[in-house]
Amino acid sequence: AQTVTQSQPEMSVQEAETVTLSCTYDTSENNYYLFWYKQPPSRQMILVIRQEAYKQQNATENRFSVNFQKAAKSFSLKISDSQLGDTAMYFCAFMKLRTSYGKLTFGQGTILTVHP
Amino acid sequence: DGGITQSPKYLFRKEGQNVTLSCEQNLNHDAMYWYRQDPGQGLRLIYYSQIVNDFQKGDIAEGYSVSREKKESFPLTVTSAQKNPTAFYLCASSPRTENTEAFFGQGTRLTVV
Repeated sequence: AQTVTQSQPEMSVQEAETVTLSCTYDTSENNYYLFWYKQPPSRQMILVIRQEAYKQQNATENRFSVNFQKAAKSFSLKISDSQLGDTAMYFCAFMKLRTSYGKLTFGQGTILTVHP
Repeated sequence: DGGITQSPKYLFRKEGQNVTLSCEQNLNHDAMYWYRQDPGQGLRLIYYSQIVNDFQKGDIAEGYSVSREKKESFPLTVTSAQKNPTAFYLCASSPRTENTEAFFGQGTRLTVV
């Protein structure tokens, strides 16, 4: 079974600054996907970024980027130029391939607050 | 617009009663999922279905039941056997292909009174 751990229950950052959210996971699988989802106060889950484990290059989506360390089983999210709209709970999630499309294992979440 | 619709948004239930949460999708996705969200615990998988007329237990299935009679619909029944049903419930769907992610509904907040 897979486990996902987010060790930072809460984080805060000033607007326009950079913040990094941590995530570690444990699996015996070699092929999988990792995701960061954002849940704003509306509670709608929104995909932020996705990383395929077979890709060595770190994924980037505008102000969001990841540091994927497969050997260390680490998957951190960096948010650059933080905006007030980034305030949300962020979840790291793991998905095994082939037999488990869309079936996600989530971390506990990190509440991020962006201050003006 | 394509998406996932959960209803109702808020639901109150008396102890000892069964209640059914609705989840409908028009994304033509094969797979559908129910997650439960509690404070400090992230999301946990209750049940999932990868094709019509088939479903599997997730990590916390006790006290819940589901059906998948149509591709578009995956209702979740919270039975009286669920000892702590007050929570936020999220439904999701995905295609059964690689290089994709799960899409979520807006959730149902269930409160036992």
